Amino acid sequence: DVKVTQSSRYLVKRTGEKVFLECVQDMDHENMFWYRQDPGLGLRLIYFSYDVKMKEKGDIPEGYSVSREKKERFSLILESASTNQTSMYLCASSFGRGPGAYEQYFGPGTRLTVT
Amino acid sequence: GENVEQHPSTLSVQEGDSAVIKCTYSDSASNYFPWYKQELGKGPQLIIDIRSNVGEKKDQRIAVTLNKTAKHFSLHITETQPEDSAVYFCAARKYNFNKFYFGSGTKLNVKP
Repeated sequence: DVKVTQSSRYLVKRTGEKVFLECVQDMDHENMFWYRQDPGLGLRLIYFSYDVKMKEKGDIPEGYSVSREKKERFSLILESASTNQTSMYLCASSFGRGPGAYEQYFGPGTRLTVT
Repeated sequence: GENVEQHPSTLSVQEGDSAVIKCTYSDSASNYFPWYKQELGKGPQLIIDIRSNVGEKKDQRIAVTLNKTAKHFSLHITETQPEDSAVYFCAARKYNFNKFYFGSGTKLNVKP
């Protein structure tokens, strides 16, 4: 059974703190993604990675960075958390490179509150 | 970039009725259109998808139609059941790209 796990389901942090969100997949997928989900806005891509140590900016990368040191793990970092980063964060992974249309598998999400 | 619009934002139907959710996309290069279902407290899960070389695809009570000329695609759920209640997202992906563009979601409520 495919599995994408996220380190925390709920997280409360203070403004200015450095925040790490971890995602692990056990399917040997090349691609991994970080989205944030806000009501009425759907899922917006923050960053994605198509290989170890490779990363590409998504549509809303400002205020975030990522790290992919191992194929199975993709970390999202908020260098200095702000209240407008309060959101649901979803990690996803998918198999394959290039033109193949491969399903994305999502983790359960981390609901982050920044106070 | 791609822009995906989804309607309606909420949909309430009686059990046994049909539900239709519609999406439009802007980039004619998009060629893969998945639909995801997100239940409360869970991540989205793929329920059906369609590629641009196909006009319709069906899987039991769920079907998706695609009109490439008009750049819109729709999800059809027949004989709805309370367990169909969830948030549904459409998405579009361009050929040779890894990025997916998602619609804003539709909250479907099936009343028993």
